[in-house]
Amino acid sequence: QQQVKQSPQSLIVQKGGISIINCAYENTAFDYFPWYQQFPGKGPALLIAIRPDVSEKKEGRFTISFNKSAKQFSLHIMDSQPGDSATYFCAAGGAGNNRKLIWGLGTSLAVNP
Amino acid sequence: DAGITQSPRHKVTETGTPVTLRCHQTENHRYMYWYRQDPGHGLRLIHYSYGVKDTDKGEVSDGYSVSRSKTEDFLLTLESATSSQTSVYFCAIREGVTEAFFGQGTRLTVV
Repeated sequence: QQQVKQSPQSLIVQKGGISIINCAYENTAFDYFPWYQQFPGKGPALLIAIRPDVSEKKEGRFTISFNKSAKQFSLHIMDSQPGDSATYFCAAGGAGNNRKLIWGLGTSLAVNP
Repeated sequence: DAGITQSPRHKVTETGTPVTLRCHQTENHRYMYWYRQDPGHGLRLIHYSYGVKDTDKGEVSDGYSVSRSKTEDFLLTLESATSSQTSVYFCAIREGVTEAFFGQGTRLTVV
């Protein structure tokens, strides 16, 4: 049972454009929403994360938007660069020290030069 | 890589044999995780550890066991490997409140 639905499955963006990846969750007990970036042959790496008490978080060209009522959150990559070409995963975790993450299935992003 | 080393990086093994994968960290992190990554399934948690000798199951723990006798090492054992366990296995450590760093992965093929 997948509790975090990620879309689109793949995305092609021109250099300088905005990449947008969306995730929806079902469990209202989730209280932590990280995004990960994975390059081919490498492990995922934490990119940016948000808690539901804020609606937006920005780090450089990466922004998370969070809509608690809709149970949705999204990653925006501004001024997309070819070096951003990777697979992006959203995830959601519950409260507590022994939180377990539930992952989306990933979005393969290709940024054309 | 935050001092995470997985070994081996690649392994081919036969059905029914036991296999142990090792994750080693050098930065004294309390939480360590084992995930598997498969096309169409994303990343799924197998087991995790919250301290020496303290472990708990993830969503796909059947057929796997773990041990953590030292802070720096977290071992994943496939007790009797099956073809369905062919996958890429990642170890991760927590920094802050979530998995922050992952190892390079171990590609396991069960024939």
